[in-house]
Amino acid sequence: AQTVTQSQPEMSVQEAETVTLSCTYDTSENNYYLFWYKQPPSRQMILVIRQEAYKQQNATENRFSVNFQKAAKSFSLKISDSQLGDTAMYFCAFVDTGANSKLTFGKGITLSVRP
Amino acid sequence: DTGVSQDPRHKITKRGQNVTFRCDPISEHNRLYWYRQTLGQGPEFLTYFQNEAQLEKSRLLSDRFSAERPKGSFSTLEIQRTEQGDSAMYLCASSLGRRGPYGYTFGSGTRLTVV
Repeated sequence: AQTVTQSQPEMSVQEAETVTLSCTYDTSENNYYLFWYKQPPSRQMILVIRQEAYKQQNATENRFSVNFQKAAKSFSLKISDSQLGDTAMYFCAFVDTGANSKLTFGKGITLSVRP
Repeated sequence: DTGVSQDPRHKITKRGQNVTFRCDPISEHNRLYWYRQTLGQGPEFLTYFQNEAQLEKSRLLSDRFSAERPKGSFSTLEIQRTEQGDSAMYLCASSLGRRGPYGYTFGSGTRLTVV
């Protein structure tokens, strides 16, 4: 069974600064996808960034980038130039390329961006 | 298509009552998932449909829970004889099932409070 661990329950960052959110996972699969999802207060979960395990290049989406270390099973999210709208819970998630494609989530981290 | 819709947004019920939630996925998505999210935790997988077939159920889904997806369109999740431990956010997600980018779209969830 896959597990996803987010060991930091909360983080705070000053507006315009950079912050890194950590995530580790455990799996015996070789082909899989990793995701970071954002869940603002009382709003729906939205995809921030996605990484395919067979791609060595780290994914980037505007101010969001990941550091994917496959051997270490580590998948951290870097948010550059933090904005107030980045305040939310962030979840790391895993899916293997098997038949049912269900997501396995970490416990999440609450990120607060200070003005 | 405006995304994944869930109804109702909030439900307060007395212990022992039955409740039913509805999810309308994105129309061309053939896969539909139900997750449960308790306060401060990541979503946990409950069950998954491909078209109208329910292909997997988590052991979290006790006999009091039942889900359907008639005709492979909308889905309902029913909880019978609700207990206080059922209080949670129930999330629905849909995706176009194929080996690939796994573009999940989440609904805004139904928040259940059992009193």
